Amino acid sequence: AQTVTQSQPEMSVQEAETVTLSCTYDTSENNYYLFWYKQPPSRQMILVIRQEAYKQQNATENRFSVNFQKAAKSFSLKISDSQLGDTAMYFCAFMKHDIEGAQKLVFGQGTRLTINP
Amino acid sequence: DTAVSQTPKYLVTQMGNDKSIKCEQNLGHDTMYWYKQDSKKFLKIMFSYNNKELIINETVPNRFSPKSPDKAHLNLHINSLELGDSAVYFCASSQVTGFPLHFGNGTRLTVT
Repeated sequence: AQTVTQSQPEMSVQEAETVTLSCTYDTSENNYYLFWYKQPPSRQMILVIRQEAYKQQNATENRFSVNFQKAAKSFSLKISDSQLGDTAMYFCAFMKHDIEGAQKLVFGQGTRLTINP
Repeated sequence: DTAVSQTPKYLVTQMGNDKSIKCEQNLGHDTMYWYKQDSKKFLKIMFSYNNKELIINETVPNRFSPKSPDKAHLNLHINSLELGDSAVYFCASSQVTGFPLHFGNGTRLTVT
């Protein structure tokens, strides 16, 4: 079974700083997908970024980028020029490649990120 | 245009009651899910349906019964509610493998 570990329960930075959230995972699969989701106080689950394991290039979405280290099974999220609106719980999630039906997302425990003005 | 919508947003009820949560998606996805988020914010899958067929059934008590009348709807019915059922329940849908799940806004269930 796959497991996802986020070792930082809480983080806090000043606005405009750069912050990196850690995520490691355990799997015997070779083909899989990794995601970061954001959950602001509104409770909504918002996709931040997606990475395909077979792609060596790290995914980027505006101020959000990942450092994907497949051999180390590490998938960290970097937020540049952090903004107050980035304050949220951030969840790392793993999905194995499965063409036969449902795509099960396995989540980490979450990191509560606070951006201070 | 709400992609995945759940009703109600909040549900407060007493132990022993039966309640339902409804979910609808207008994304044309074939697969729908129910996830539970506990008080420590941990998210775990409960069920998944693909084209109205149950695909994933994690170790969930029999008191929880999902129903999918068509591929755009997945409802969750809970019998004999217990205090430990208090949580936020998320409905989600997805396209094909590898694509992200789209989540509803969650239903906060409080059992007193």
